[in-house]
Amino acid sequence: NAGVTQTPKFQVLKTGQSMTLQCAQDMNHEYMSWYRQDPGMGLRLIHYSVGAGITDQGEVPNGYNVSRSTTEDFPLRLLSAAPSQTSVYFCASSYTLTGPSNEQYFGPGTRLTVT
Amino acid sequence: QQQVKQSPQSLIVQKGGISIINCAYENTAFDYFPWYQQFPGKGPALLIAIRPDVSEKKEGRFTISFNKSAKQFSLHIMDSQPGDSATYFCAAKGTGSARQLTFGSGTQLTVLP
Repeated sequence: NAGVTQTPKFQVLKTGQSMTLQCAQDMNHEYMSWYRQDPGMGLRLIHYSVGAGITDQGEVPNGYNVSRSTTEDFPLRLLSAAPSQTSVYFCASSYTLTGPSNEQYFGPGTRLTVT
Repeated sequence: QQQVKQSPQSLIVQKGGISIINCAYENTAFDYFPWYQQFPGKGPALLIAIRPDVSEKKEGRFTISFNKSAKQFSLHIMDSQPGDSATYFCAAKGTGSARQLTFGSGTQLTVLP
């Protein structure tokens, strides 16, 4: 199993550009989520999905869109990049959101810089 | 609005010493408390976790102590090694409609050889 994969690893955008961060998992996990990590702020939840076709907002959703058309993929779209979106983005998945098998597996991250 | 407060922000320990990281939470509806370990350039990985019906859980050199009445939990790393140098995050998972993980701000641990 590749686990959770993310592309690209690094990205530089200009203010106002749009882009999609890719996330895929091959563990047949129901639950997938996107976090951003900023110094001193921990990991903050952007959006999450409990299954194909179902998404919901997390703590910091503004400026981001998600969709979940398949169990495996959960892309994160930046609509119009702003310098405040400079961060490291992590995708995570777990078998379920409740019950004993709810360990979240994280991808390697995408480091995004918006100039 | 941070619901899980973590301290210290950074910690330096000599090899063989005990590393202690503390977290406090406000929401009594949390029912699962994991700790994640993150090495530079990598994603966080689950290290150890505890549920509120027990006061302590030990896995090797890593122990979680949980105080439900004080709404606090801590990670103890015994015999700390340079390979333990990483950032550690505590987290808490809610119940019902708020089942997401809420993370602490992280502690950067450096273990000196």
